[in-house]
Amino acid sequence: SQTIHQWPATLVQPVGSPLSLECTVEGTSNPNLYWYRQAAGRGLQLLFYSVGIGQISSEVPQNLSASRPQDRQFILSSKKLLLSDSGFYLCAWSAPYTDTQYFGPGTRLTVL
Amino acid sequence: AQSVTQPDIHITVSEGASLELRCNYSYGATPYLFWYVQSPGQGLQLLLKYFSGDTLVQGIKGFEAEFKRSQSSFNLRKPSVHWSDAAEYFCAVGGTGRRALTFGSGTRLQVQP
Repeated sequence: SQTIHQWPATLVQPVGSPLSLECTVEGTSNPNLYWYRQAAGRGLQLLFYSVGIGQISSEVPQNLSASRPQDRQFILSSKKLLLSDSGFYLCAWSAPYTDTQYFGPGTRLTVL
Repeated sequence: AQSVTQPDIHITVSEGASLELRCNYSYGATPYLFWYVQSPGQGLQLLLKYFSGDTLVQGIKGFEAEFKRSQSSFNLRKPSVHWSDAAEYFCAVGGTGRRALTFGSGTRLQVQP
């Protein structure tokens, strides 16, 4: 069966520091991968999605970036965090050419 | 552009009572529709999905949803709510092309004993 992992589970970072969040999927090949952000009291905002290694689509302009160095690894990064980057970050995957997404446990990021 | 509206931000029901959570969507073609549930501090769990066929779909945990094209709705129902159903519920719409889902803003369900 497929599983999706995210780490760290929680992170507290100062403004201006770098960020690296990691997501890995097991039990499937060539998945579509997604990064969402969920701000307090709000729905999910799609940040990036990827249909293959090195293929990243950005949905919103911001100081975040994403990379997919391996088939089942998706990384969310920032060079300098802003206060507004605080939130709950969710990674998701779907099988190729399908729309059903399955979510990881999330990372709670607090920027102080 | 596709969009999803969940008109109820917060709903409170008594344990054992029936539940209906509303979802309205806007989509140019036949939509793929989803309901997810999120417990506090957790990721999202898929409850059910509609792609085509029978407009009444059954999901996990005793939930069901009905697709009504004429009303652009996909409401979630449960005949008898349990205290463990307290969570936030998200409706989402997707389709071919972007292969990405658009989510509603969510409905927080509180269950009273």
